[in-house]
Amino acid sequence: DGGITQSPKYLFRKEGQNVTLSCEQNLNHDAMYWYRQDPGQGLRLIYYSQIVNDFQKGDIAEGYSVSREKKESFPLTVTSAQKNPTAFYLCASSHRGETQYFGPGTRLLVL
Amino acid sequence: GIQVEQSPPDLILQEGANSTLRCNFSDSVNNLQWFHQNPWGQLINLFYIPSGTKQNGRLSATTVATERYSLLYISSSQTTDSGVYFCATGLTGGGNKLTFGTGTQLKVEL
Repeated sequence: DGGITQSPKYLFRKEGQNVTLSCEQNLNHDAMYWYRQDPGQGLRLIYYSQIVNDFQKGDIAEGYSVSREKKESFPLTVTSAQKNPTAFYLCASSHRGETQYFGPGTRLLVL
Repeated sequence: GIQVEQSPPDLILQEGANSTLRCNFSDSVNNLQWFHQNPWGQLINLFYIPSGTKQNGRLSATTVATERYSLLYISSSQTTDSGVYFCATGLTGGGNKLTFGTGTQLKVEL
């Protein structure tokens, strides 16, 4: 089946720890995105990539980093510099700038 | 940046009722999408509709870009329609970035 997968479903982070969220797609989409959702809020864009080996900051990039070494993969690292990382993280992909398709999300909690 | 406002913020319907959700945006856009987020967090794309009208079963959407608003119509609502409906827009010339509204929380009761 074609689609977007995210792992893990739940992730726990200790103080001072970097953690990496996985996002993989087999839709052959060029563009991929990472969003953060806080309870009762809409989605906010963290980073996006329109092509392999290139990515741009979104509205809330501080404390996060990404890479895009393969078309299918767009991992997100939540660094220790992100002071309030508890949130629901959603990855999406699209063909050019058209319909975005979302993965099931990762819930990150701080211990 | 672009501002996206959705109304109403909350809506409770009896099963079988119809409803209209509204999305206003502050700037020219060439990308407008409607999404449904189910209670488990999964977002499903309903429409990619930068202009015009589209229909998909009991759902339809209309975007009037010149007047900077979009409407999502739900007819004969069912309990499975419950969840949060988001509108998201992208600026003309802004690449592939989307700005999301804060959503309309819909609950459909028997």
